[in-house]
Amino acid sequence: DQQVKQNSPSLSVQEGRISILNCDYTNSMFDYFLWYKKYPAEGPTFLISISSIKDKNEDGRFTVFLNKSAKHLSLHIVPSQPGDSAVYFCAATDGGSQGNLIFGKGTKLSVKP
Amino acid sequence: DGGITQSPKYLFRKEGQNVTLSCEQNLNHDAMYWYRQDPGQGLRLIYYSQIVNDFQKGDIAEGYSVSREKKESFPLTVTSAQKNPTAFYLCASSRQLYQPQHFGDGTRLSIL
Repeated sequence: DQQVKQNSPSLSVQEGRISILNCDYTNSMFDYFLWYKKYPAEGPTFLISISSIKDKNEDGRFTVFLNKSAKHLSLHIVPSQPGDSAVYFCAATDGGSQGNLIFGKGTKLSVKP
Repeated sequence: DGGITQSPKYLFRKEGQNVTLSCEQNLNHDAMYWYRQDPGQGLRLIYYSQIVNDFQKGDIAEGYSVSREKKESFPLTVTSAQKNPTAFYLCASSRQLYQPQHFGDGTRLSIL
């Protein structure tokens, strides 16, 4: 049973436009959420995170929004650039003793020039 | 440059053999992790270690073993008991548990 779901396997966006990647979760105990970016044949790279006490966190072109009541978070990339083309993983943790990150299956973003 | 080094990048194993994947970090991180990624899947946690000489099972530990004798090193052994070992294996570390993890570039294991 997936606790973190990324329902869109892929997304295609024009350069300069906004990319919106979505993530849903089922475990109400999750209190910290992260986005990772992964290029082929490389390990994931941490991008941005948000704590459950916030509803928005911004870092340059990247903004993560958290809607706790809907158990939904999204990553906005504005403006999108061709170099943003990668697989984006959403991850969540409840900060329990395991310190485990639960990952979604990823969304492949393609930004076309 | 600080980072995580996984070696080798590609590894081939005959059925019935144990194989050990290397993971070294020079970030001075306390916590280290091993994940497995299968096509079209997210990352699943195999083992993690919060501190030297301590490690805990993750969600899919069966058929795997680890050791943490040094802070910098967290090798993963894929044993012959692992029924489906072909996968992409990722090692990660973080300053402490719950903090953002830094990943290596992975090892792709294939069964001959």
